[in-house]
Amino acid sequence: IAGITQAPTSQILAAGRRMTLRCTQDMRHNAMYWYRQDLGLGLRLIHYSNTAGTTGKGEVPDGYSVSRANTDDFPLTLASAVPSQTSVYFCASSEQQGEGGELFFGEGSRLTVL
Amino acid sequence: GQNIDQPTEMTATEGAIVQINCTYQTSGFNGLFWYQQHAGEAPTFLSYNVLDGLEEKGRFSSFLSRSKGYSYLLLKELQMKDSASYLCALSDSNYQLIWGAGTKLIIKP
Repeated sequence: IAGITQAPTSQILAAGRRMTLRCTQDMRHNAMYWYRQDLGLGLRLIHYSNTAGTTGKGEVPDGYSVSRANTDDFPLTLASAVPSQTSVYFCASSEQQGEGGELFFGEGSRLTVL
Repeated sequence: GQNIDQPTEMTATEGAIVQINCTYQTSGFNGLFWYQQHAGEAPTFLSYNVLDGLEEKGRFSSFLSRSKGYSYLLLKELQMKDSASYLCALSDSNYQLIWGAGTKLIIKP
């Protein structure tokens, strides 16, 4: 079944460690996104990519980096994890960024930083 | 600035009708989305409104009033499986989504 795959689904990480969350889609969508979801808050955009080779900063980019070497993959890296980065991370994609573009989400990666 | 408000939690009875409201303030607007999110799962798309009026899709309908900065999601003939969080999101002038915190809907038998 076509869709978005995230890995790992869950991870406990020591503060200061480096971590990469993987995201792969097989729908040939141009746009991809990383969100974090915290209790009581709406989804917050971390980084996005409108097409392979380009990335942009979202609402909460500090402490995170992304790359988009090809259409399918959009990894999110935490260079040096801190406890405030404990959250559920969702990768999403859409055909293109624009009006009416439905987002398709991965199942999420639950990250705990101790 | 931009702001979206929706109730934190609502309770309704199986078989009944419930309306979940969403109000927003924004300087740029390119449409409003509703997503459903079951606990521990990913959000899934329900509806998109860009023009004023009601969009009906089966048991679910979504309404938009751009002049009032107001939308609602109407769920009819509620089923237990409708217990979920419902997320309102507006598309801003740059087509980025600004998300509300979500409304947790609890369905009771």
